[in-house]
Amino acid sequence: DSGVTQTPKHLITATGQRVTLRCSPRSGDLSVYWYQQSLDQGLQFLIHYYNGEERAKGNILERFSAQQFPDLHSELNLSSLELGDSALYFCASSLRLAGGYNEQFFGPGTRLTVL
Amino acid sequence: DQQVKQNSPSLSVQEGRISILNCDYTNSMFDYFLWYKKYPAEGPTFLISISSIKDKNEDGRFTVFLNKSAKHLSLHIVPSQPGDSAVYFCAASGDTGNQFYFGTGTSLTVIP
Repeated sequence: DSGVTQTPKHLITATGQRVTLRCSPRSGDLSVYWYQQSLDQGLQFLIHYYNGEERAKGNILERFSAQQFPDLHSELNLSSLELGDSALYFCASSLRLAGGYNEQFFGPGTRLTVL
Repeated sequence: DQQVKQNSPSLSVQEGRISILNCDYTNSMFDYFLWYKKYPAEGPTFLISISSIKDKNEDGRFTVFLNKSAKHLSLHIVPSQPGDSAVYFCAASGDTGNQFYFGTGTSLTVIP
């Protein structure tokens, strides 16, 4: 158990809909990262938040948005869903940003299926 | 644009032998590299990392080698055990951890 929780575990929805994925980082971790893993693909970096502020944006579609709240949990919002958005969505947390690297601890993921 | 590449989708090794997983990268600004292990239906788990000031880092049965001139890193597992069977991802970062780039993974099967 990494200490990172993600809800829901599975999500099935229809095209055009909007969903929210939730992530609670490990206690004390300030950074939250979101990744998308499509079938047979690696983890594609979406976005990174540090202590409530956006720090880096990857290949995140305009239909997707995220935020990190004062209690440090994060939500990834996916709207106008398309079939191609079906994927595993992982969040990861790490302790700190500045002064060096820290490994990320991943949650179990949310499997999104768009029908 | 895949900046981190794992060209072998799968690898099979006999129990007790050495497993060598390879990873190539294209961005010379990357200065921190990690290996993760992933079991089905779970998130990736951190294994070992190396910064660009080193060329080798060891942790028990796991050793990571970095060849900066070739932009290549490898993970050695000795001896391999059936419980090592999983998908292994390499990852890299070059901006103090703001963004990490992952490879597509190598599925390792250790045969008893």
